[in-house]
Amino acid sequence: GENVEQHPSTLSVQEGDSAVIKCTYSDSASNYFPWYKQELGKGPQLIIDIRSNVGEKKDQRIAVTLNKTAKHFSLHITETQPEDSAVYFCAASIVNQFYFGTGTSLTVIP
Amino acid sequence: GAGVSQSPRYKVAKRGQDVALRCDPISGHVSLFWYQQALGQGPEFLTYFQNEAQLDKSGLPSDRFFAERPEGSVSTLKIQRTQQEDSAVYLCASASGGATGELFFGEGSRLTVL
Repeated sequence: GENVEQHPSTLSVQEGDSAVIKCTYSDSASNYFPWYKQELGKGPQLIIDIRSNVGEKKDQRIAVTLNKTAKHFSLHITETQPEDSAVYFCAASIVNQFYFGTGTSLTVIP
Repeated sequence: GAGVSQSPRYKVAKRGQDVALRCDPISGHVSLFWYQQALGQGPEFLTYFQNEAQLDKSGLPSDRFFAERPEGSVSTLKIQRTQQEDSAVYLCASASGGATGELFFGEGSRLTVL
């Protein structure tokens, strides 16, 4: 089955700096790559997604890039704010399953 | 309701007890997923329903785990003879289509087995 690896597991940045989280996947048949933000005690919430026919997508301060050849995708958050502090999960979707990474705990220091 | 609702939010069970976890998906959502999330880990797939049909149960860790969605709406995840290793947050998610669109997660049911 699909294997998704996510790095780093923890990340601390100063407010206003950028944060980058990277994921790799193993199954070239995966065709949908969402990113979820999970706050303490809450369920994950979709923040951005990208499909396999697109290389980059941006939504305000958040962007995602996908390299299908290398089987990796990344989340970029610019101008970080304290409310960006949370755990972020990448995922790869194939057939009717989502495979999640192990998460990145992001702390934005005011 | 406006979102996915799960109950109970917290459940403490003694080893060997049976538990039932309920999920109310967003009205009209065809797809429903159950995930298990251990502390500090990402969600792990358990099972998938399309309407009332359980199309994939390959992630259920043992025959002690059983899920149903009899009328294509509310779903129940049942764990029989709970073990300590079953302690985790159980997340339910629904989607209007299949697994290539947004998943809407509930807040989860935290199960602690003593």
